[in-house]
Amino acid sequence: AQSVAQPEDQVNVAEGNPLTVKCTYSVSGNPYLFWYVQYPNRGLQFLLKYITGDNLVKGSYGFEAEFNKSQTSFHLKKPSALVSDSALYFCAVRDLASNTGKLIFGQGTTLQVKP
Amino acid sequence: GAGVSQSPSNKVTEKGKDVELRCDPISGHTALYWYRQSLGQGLEFLIYFQGNSAPDKSGLPSDRFSAERTGGSVSTLTIQRTQQEDSAVYLCASSLGGSQGLVEKLFFGSGTQLSVL
Repeated sequence: AQSVAQPEDQVNVAEGNPLTVKCTYSVSGNPYLFWYVQYPNRGLQFLLKYITGDNLVKGSYGFEAEFNKSQTSFHLKKPSALVSDSALYFCAVRDLASNTGKLIFGQGTTLQVKP
Repeated sequence: GAGVSQSPSNKVTEKGKDVELRCDPISGHTALYWYRQSLGQGLEFLIYFQGNSAPDKSGLPSDRFSAERTGGSVSTLTIQRTQQEDSAVYLCASSLGGSQGLVEKLFFGSGTQLSVL
């Protein structure tokens, strides 16, 4: 069965510093990987995805993520954090080997960026 | 419509009552998902519909939960004999389906906040 782990409940970063939100996954086949963000009092929004090809994918709002097959990780990164990046971030995976297109999400990581 | 619409936005019910939550997906989206978001529990997968295929019900937590999708569009999530632990935000999402849909992003509704007293 496919699964996603986000080992940190919360990440605290000072504005202007680089940020990393961690994600590891488990699938039996090749993964499709996604990051979503939930801003306070707003719905979930798509940030970026990895399907195939270049291991470094770029997404919305200056975010990027690096796919690492050997470590089964897909960490979210941003070179310089903004206070407005403070939100709840979810990693998600689809398992291409499964017979279903269901998307499984991690537990979420709260990112707090302080001025 | 322009986005995924869910109703009601808030529902307060008494323990033991049945509730129905509605989701209107984006027109043309053949894939529809239900998730539950509880404090500290992340996004819990409930059920997935893809076109006319049999739904993936593997995430439904008990037989009190059921969902249907009529005409490939509107979906209803029903919770029978509600319990206090059912209190959560229930999110619906839709996306383009089929094999190409596997790479597509999900569009989420604003959710239904269910409170069971």
